[in-house]
Amino acid sequence: AQSVTQPDIHITVSEGASLELRCNYSYGATPYLFWYVQSPGQGLQLLLKYFSGDTLVQGIKGFEAEFKRSQSSFNLRKPSVHWSDAAEYFCAVGAGGFKTIFGAGTRLFVKA
Amino acid sequence: DAGVIQSPRHEVTEMGQEVTLRCKPISGHDYLFWYRQTMMRGLELLIYFNNNVPIDDSGMPEDRFSAKMPNASFSTLKIQPSEPRDSAVYFCASSSTSGVDTQYFGPGTRLTVL
Repeated sequence: AQSVTQPDIHITVSEGASLELRCNYSYGATPYLFWYVQSPGQGLQLLLKYFSGDTLVQGIKGFEAEFKRSQSSFNLRKPSVHWSDAAEYFCAVGAGGFKTIFGAGTRLFVKA
Repeated sequence: DAGVIQSPRHEVTEMGQEVTLRCKPISGHDYLFWYRQTMMRGLELLIYFNNNVPIDDSGMPEDRFSAKMPNASFSTLKIQPSEPRDSAVYFCASSSTSGVDTQYFGPGTRLTVL
């Protein structure tokens, strides 16, 4: 069965520091992979997605993610975090037929 | 585009009452999804529609939950009777076939059942 694991429930980074959020997936075929962000009181917004091709994907707000098939991973990165990046981040895998499986989320705290 | 619209944004009701949540998807989108988000269980897919037809309702927790999509621009999620354990944030999302799985989420309805 398809599944998504985000091993970190929450992460705290200093403003200006680099960020990496981990995501591992389980899926039998070539996956569709997504990262969404949820700000407090808001719905989820797509940051980036991977379907095929270049394994390094660029997204909005300066985020990028790298698909590594050998590690079943799709980690999200940002070189320099801003205070406005504090939010909850969800990794997701497309499970076919437009059904998407979401991870439990990682809450990012940014300290000044 | 106004995005996905949900109403109400907040709902407080008493156990046993009927609750109806509403969603207007983005115009032109032919997929509509209902999710429930709680601290304990995270984001759960309840049901999704394609061209107004329910495709997968395996996530609907029990018969107290029902969802309809009478036309391409409107969907409802109904809970009858409501219970305290139904308290959660309910999200509606929509997607278009040409958007290849990208889902656009509404702001959610925060439901509290007392």
